[in-house]
Amino acid sequence: DTEVTQTPKHLVMGMTNKKSLKCEQHMGHRAMYWYKQKAKKPPELMFVYSYEKLSINESVPSRFSPECPNSSLLNLHLHALQPEDSALYLCASSTGQGRTLNTEAFFGQGTRLTVV
Amino acid sequence: AQTVTQSQPEMSVQEAETVTLSCTYDTSENNYYLFWYKQPPSRQMILVIRQEAYKQQNATENRFSVNFQKAAKSFSLKISDSQLGDTAMYFCAFRDIYNQGGKLIFGQGTELSVKP
Repeated sequence: DTEVTQTPKHLVMGMTNKKSLKCEQHMGHRAMYWYKQKAKKPPELMFVYSYEKLSINESVPSRFSPECPNSSLLNLHLHALQPEDSALYLCASSTGQGRTLNTEAFFGQGTRLTVV
Repeated sequence: AQTVTQSQPEMSVQEAETVTLSCTYDTSENNYYLFWYKQPPSRQMILVIRQEAYKQQNATENRFSVNFQKAAKSFSLKISDSQLGDTAMYFCAFRDIYNQGGKLIFGQGTELSVKP
């Protein structure tokens, strides 16, 4: 199983709503990532979890709140978003970090988020 | 800080022809990975090919091959016998093996169109 599964595939939410994006992998990967991607632009890193602990937060606004309940799951909680937050949100996973050799990241299909 | 540059925002190629996508990068590290990712309109980010910096031999995956010039910090992707399904955004990406939390640094992307 080399899949990263993201749900939902599409999400429309109002600026006062609270919603969550979910990501799941069963490859035994211990690093998981959230990226934000605008059309025809490269993905921008938001958060990195390593061994279920937040290791990188790329100065993301607090209206985005990540959570890693276990080694297979990664959530992104959304609250009071702005229309400019509309984008494709990609989850990815890879093998461990530190002094182990990193390999490629496997990406999910993304959640297309529209904030109205 | 590492940077990745793709100088060709758009390219097109006739079906069955060969095309080369350019990528240059900047780093002071000696051990790293380089990747080419493909993102078709279906938006799934798919790994095309990877190269370990400590390997002299250029990576090859079927119709895809790279020209890795470490001293010049150049990592181009050659697609032979182009197919309509190769139409996609192509991102060059860099990963430091031991540092940076495993994050991928992406270039701006090249939009490739394969024409029948």
